[in-house]
Amino acid sequence: GAGVSQTPSNKVTEKGKYVELRCDPISGHTALYWYRQSLGQGPEFLIYFQGTGAADDSGLPNDRFFAVRPEGSVSTLKIQRTERGDSAVYLCASSLGDGRTTDTQYFGPGTRLTVL
Amino acid sequence: KQEVTQIPAALSVPEGENLVLNCSFTDSAIYNLQWFRQDPGKGLTSLLLIQSSQREQTSGRLNASLDKSSGRSTLYIAASQPGDSATYLCAVSPDSNYQLIWGAGTKLIIKP
Repeated sequence: GAGVSQTPSNKVTEKGKYVELRCDPISGHTALYWYRQSLGQGPEFLIYFQGTGAADDSGLPNDRFFAVRPEGSVSTLKIQRTERGDSAVYLCASSLGDGRTTDTQYFGPGTRLTVL
Repeated sequence: KQEVTQIPAALSVPEGENLVLNCSFTDSAIYNLQWFRQDPGKGLTSLLLIQSSQREQTSGRLNASLDKSSGRSTLYIAASQPGDSATYLCAVSPDSNYQLIWGAGTKLIIKP
């Protein structure tokens, strides 16, 4: 079956612009996660959705970052007034979200964001 | 605050060797620990997940161990192959939520 997909694969934008990054999770997965990975580092947690609601948004760095999942499937990460420091690979993952300790997260290929 | 460290940052070995990758974490109160593989442009793939009550997990040539009390995990790769070349990351899930806290990874190169 189809895995997690993310679009676009690459996004180049200018400082101050607004960007949207999209994630299509595996069908039937109720949990969805966004991470950010800078070069040479491990991913950094941003936000976790259970269904339509953000169950944990403690990783969002500031109020320029916002994410939605209106129908409990596709999610969009929105970044306002982009800064050069926002440049990174943005990863999305989904899982069954059934509360089991073995609930594996499946990752998409990521969106590489470059802010000039 | 939980911190995850992986040593070494990079490793290059000849094909066929057995090798060990190390992961350490500062807070032993974890829900589970996972090892992932990251290939350029292909995202992350979960290799092994060890629950906090377990000591090890095995999948094919891979064996991961967990010692919660000392805050350590190792990933053992037997009979390494060039296709094993990738970056290997470990991540811990803190108690009561699904957030993952990651190490920076070990970049592994297997030379034919």
